[in-house]
Amino acid sequence: NAGVTQTPKFQVLKTGQSMTLQCAQDMNHEYMSWYRQDPGMGLRLIHYSVGAGITDQGEVPNGYNVSRSTTEDFPLRLLSAAPSQTSVYFCASSYRSGNTEAFFGQGTRLTVV
Amino acid sequence: AQKVTQAQTEISVVEKEDVTLDCVYETRDTTYYLFWYKQPPSGELVFLIRRNSFDEQNEISGRYSWNFQKSTSSFNFTITASQVVDSAVYFCALRMNRDDKIIFGKGTRLHILP
Repeated sequence: NAGVTQTPKFQVLKTGQSMTLQCAQDMNHEYMSWYRQDPGMGLRLIHYSVGAGITDQGEVPNGYNVSRSTTEDFPLRLLSAAPSQTSVYFCASSYRSGNTEAFFGQGTRLTVV
Repeated sequence: AQKVTQAQTEISVVEKEDVTLDCVYETRDTTYYLFWYKQPPSGELVFLIRRNSFDEQNEISGRYSWNFQKSTSSFNFTITASQVVDSAVYFCALRMNRDDKIIFGKGTRLHILP
């Protein structure tokens, strides 16, 4: 079992470039989500999904798009990267039953210059 | 609105001391779930414990213990006889039953000094 796999682990972008952070899980989890972690700010929820075809905004959705075409994958798209999006991004997944913990990927460290 | 507050930004204690990390949450829902995660210097997020809103029993796991009090909306975490390996950032999180999303507090950075 691979768990939650995020790619890439590191990325440097120029302002205005676009890219997609990939997230895949093999645990058949309905719930998937993206967080960004910045110093002193904790983990802030960007977008989340409770199943294929269903997505919703979290606390800081601006500048990010998501889609959920399959249960396994939940990519995060930056359409026009900005320096303010420099952060560490974590993908997480879990069963929809609330009394289950979320499993996290290893994180993607993104720098926008 | 739901919210998790970890008022302690950073704590330093000497090894073998006991330390308590505070977590206060806000929610109007009656069914919700609380979690603690650990993030060691290597960066991964490690699940420690979950608790649902109907279970106020305290829990002990080795040197770790958790105190859940609905009356004060708190879910505090105590490390007894701390060790250097406990140095990490600790996050408290809240999950609502109605929309499934999980929100985190800002974390507490714990330094255990040898």
